[in-house]
Amino acid sequence: DADVTQTPRNRITKTGKRIMLECSQTKGHDRMYWYRQDPGLGLRLIYYSFDVKDINKGEISDGYSVSRQAQAKFSLSLESAIPNQTALYFCATSDRTGGRGDEQFFGPGTRLTVL
Amino acid sequence: QKEVEQNSGPLSVPEGAIASLNCTYSDRGSQSFFWYRQYSGKSPELIMFIYSNGDKEDGRFTAQLNKASQYVSLLIRDSQPSDSATYLCAVTSNFGNEKLTFGTGTRLTIIP
Repeated sequence: DADVTQTPRNRITKTGKRIMLECSQTKGHDRMYWYRQDPGLGLRLIYYSFDVKDINKGEISDGYSVSRQAQAKFSLSLESAIPNQTALYFCATSDRTGGRGDEQFFGPGTRLTVL
Repeated sequence: QKEVEQNSGPLSVPEGAIASLNCTYSDRGSQSFFWYRQYSGKSPELIMFIYSNGDKEDGRFTAQLNKASQYVSLLIRDSQPSDSATYLCAVTSNFGNEKLTFGTGTRLTIIP
């Protein structure tokens, strides 16, 4: 079973719709992250959470919100989707005490298309 | 100026040769440096990390860090077709702060 899972894997929606992307992990990590990846722009951090009560904005948080429902779950919401939010979205986790230091483990990604 | 810069490629290398990937960063306070490999349509996976100046070897991979010149590189020896992927350089500013800043990645193609 995958350690970091994302649902849905693919989603097509229309402009103005609310959409939620979900991330779950069984690695027992405290830290979770949401990124988006666009061609030519690499991975950019949207939000990150170092524990259930600690949520922080990343470099491109406008138009997004998050919820850390439990240590294992971190959801990303687009309140009113727009076409330039079409991208590949990744969730990641990390454990500060891990043997590989700051390694982040990525989920399989969600491909979101906003029409 | 982008904080982490990589040549987007594509970089083509013959099978069995050494592939050399480079990355520069702008924040002199950067402490931790990572190389992730991403196959097309897949998620990134960590292949190397380095904290100290100098070289770090792991199998066919060698990471090189020069903090004075603010660059980090990845060498892949005896390149294989399975090494064909996009390689992402990532940097954190503080030890224990796992907020990574990624470069845009270099696409590497190994030619059989």
